[in-house]
Amino acid sequence: AQSVAQPEDQVNVAEGNPLTVKCTYSVSGNPYLFWYVQYPNRGLQFLLKYITGDNLVKGSYGFEAEFNKSQTSFHLKKPSALVSDSALYFCAVSSGGGSYIPTFGRGTSLIVHP
Amino acid sequence: EPEVTQTPSHQVTQMGQEVILRCVPISNHLYFYWYRQILGQKVEFLVSFYNNEISEKSEIFDDQFSVERPDGSNFTLKIRSTKLEDSAMYFCASSVLAGLSYEQYFGPGTRLTVT
Repeated sequence: AQSVAQPEDQVNVAEGNPLTVKCTYSVSGNPYLFWYVQYPNRGLQFLLKYITGDNLVKGSYGFEAEFNKSQTSFHLKKPSALVSDSALYFCAVSSGGGSYIPTFGRGTSLIVHP
Repeated sequence: EPEVTQTPSHQVTQMGQEVILRCVPISNHLYFYWYRQILGQKVEFLVSFYNNEISEKSEIFDDQFSVERPDGSNFTLKIRSTKLEDSAMYFCASSVLAGLSYEQYFGPGTRLTVT
């Protein structure tokens, strides 16, 4: 079985500061990892994914994520937060085993203060 | 940029009533999905649909649920006899293809409230 944990319900950061939203996963095979963002009254929007290759993945809006196999983590990062980054962020993992359906985390609310 | 759309944005219904949630996936996508999120909990997979057939479903997707693609654009989720515990946000999603590396595109959701 595959699972995702987002240990923080909420992350607060000041505008201009770096941000990190944490995600750890558990799978039996190779992980395929995704980050989605949800703005108010909008659907989940794809940000970035790790399939294979470089552990540092770059995505939309200046976000990046680092795959760490030994720590089974895929933390989302951004060097300088914007107020407009305030949203709900979801980590997801899929790993095969007959199903391609991703398992999502509970989501982390990112609040960027001016 | 093309988007997945869902209607209605909010549906209130009484327990035991039937509801139909509607979705219009992105036009060149072939795979369609329904997920739900109970307030404060994880996004949970319900069902995936391809070529007019259910391709995969979760334990949540029991006999009270059904999906249909009645025409070339709409994709619907029907709940036959709603229960209080069906209250949740329901998300429709679509993808070009199905596979571990393909991201899904989500609609804004329908908030279902069962009273």
